[in-house]
Amino acid sequence: TQLLEQSPQFLSIQEGENLTVYCNSSSVFSSLQWYRQEPGEGPVLLVTVVTGGEVKKLKRLTFQFGDARKDSSLHITAAQPGDTGLYLCAGYNYGQNFVFGPGTRLSVLP
Amino acid sequence: ETGVTQTPRHLVMGMTNKKSLKCEQHLGHNAMYWYKQSAKKPLELMFVYSLEERVENNSVPSRFSPECPNSSHLFLHLHTLQPEDSALYLCASSQDLRRGEDTGELFFGEGSRLTVL
Repeated sequence: TQLLEQSPQFLSIQEGENLTVYCNSSSVFSSLQWYRQEPGEGPVLLVTVVTGGEVKKLKRLTFQFGDARKDSSLHITAAQPGDTGLYLCAGYNYGQNFVFGPGTRLSVLP
Repeated sequence: ETGVTQTPRHLVMGMTNKKSLKCEQHLGHNAMYWYKQSAKKPLELMFVYSLEERVENNSVPSRFSPECPNSSHLFLHLHTLQPEDSALYLCASSQDLRRGEDTGELFFGEGSRLTVL
């Protein structure tokens, strides 16, 4: 059974701080996605990483896929209250279903 | 209209009621999914339809009955639910993953918040 773990589970920081959240597995994935979910809404796709070692940037967010394609990290620079939400990672392999982590709940205080 | 639309956004029902959740996608995808999201639990896959054929049923109780009349519409029929079925039900769509050539991306609706009394 493929599992994804995310850490930390909860994170509360002040506006302007930097943070990193992690997504780890013992399984290899063809690709990995990061989603952000705000209260009462569905998850919104932020990025997909495909190649081992790949780094993608989305404004203040930097996503990295591990060399072995088993793990990923999300780094946020100068966090803002609008970054508050549940960050979910999901692993995907061809022809199989998505595997979701439990999420990291981020709160950015003004 | 674009994206994935779910209705109703909120639903309160008694244990003896029958209701349905509706999902519509305007992305040209041919795979659709129902997920259940409960507090403090990872997303749970319930059903997958690819090209209108059910390809996954993750041991979901029969009180949940999916229907996929075409590649753009997905329903979840609810009957004699239990209070523990209260959750956020999320619909998602993607390209047909059985082709094995996609990177795999899900596009979610805003969810239907279900409360069973």
